[in-house]
Amino acid sequence: SAVISQKPSRDICQRGTSLTIQCQVDSQVTMMFWYRQQPGQSLTLIATANQGSEATYESGFVIDKFPISRPNLTFSTLTVSNMSPEDSSIYLCSVVLWAHQETQYFGPGTRLLVL
Amino acid sequence: AQSVAQPEDQVNVAEGNPLTVKCTYSVSGNPYLFWYVQYPNRGLQFLLKYITGDNLVKGSYGFEAEFNKSQTSFHLKKPSALVSDSALYFCAVRVSILTGGGNKLTFGTGTQLKVEL
Repeated sequence: SAVISQKPSRDICQRGTSLTIQCQVDSQVTMMFWYRQQPGQSLTLIATANQGSEATYESGFVIDKFPISRPNLTFSTLTVSNMSPEDSSIYLCSVVLWAHQETQYFGPGTRLLVL
Repeated sequence: AQSVAQPEDQVNVAEGNPLTVKCTYSVSGNPYLFWYVQYPNRGLQFLLKYITGDNLVKGSYGFEAEFNKSQTSFHLKKPSALVSDSALYFCAVRVSILTGGGNKLTFGTGTQLKVEL
């Protein structure tokens, strides 16, 4: 497997502000994804982070609210914009490694509370 | 469309007893099936997967799962539960690339496993 790190690990933010979450992997990856896990819920895919181009968003998620960057193969950011309490969730980065292309591995998550 | 059902929100087991966490799936094409575990305040950890071959797959921490194509199931099992196994377990499915699938994982709603002394 690989070491997948996310920063910050948790944050408490005010309504109307934005937070950028970073995901860094120490191995070669083919694909990177961002998921949301709302309190007591399962995981929902937000988007696929594409290197050097716009992310591919799932239904119900838009670029203005969740801008994503992936400047290189092993790093991506997710921004949660103009936050409201409904954005309080765990945000998880996941990756597909070159060496294990059937499996997605997840980062430790970023716990976000919006007041 | 692909979907996963985990019919039990919670499973309670006494330590030392066998455990089963149930999962059924629906896909168009050949499935890739996964189990992940989430400990409190942690991310998801990969436990095991079925891609092809032997229907019984073994994974981390003594867990195993059996792929049953006729019943479209992929139940997670462990012969002897430990208190430290208490966590939230997620089943996930995707369609194999060979049958036109992409990398999109669909997760079940999760099953909370509680192992008591």
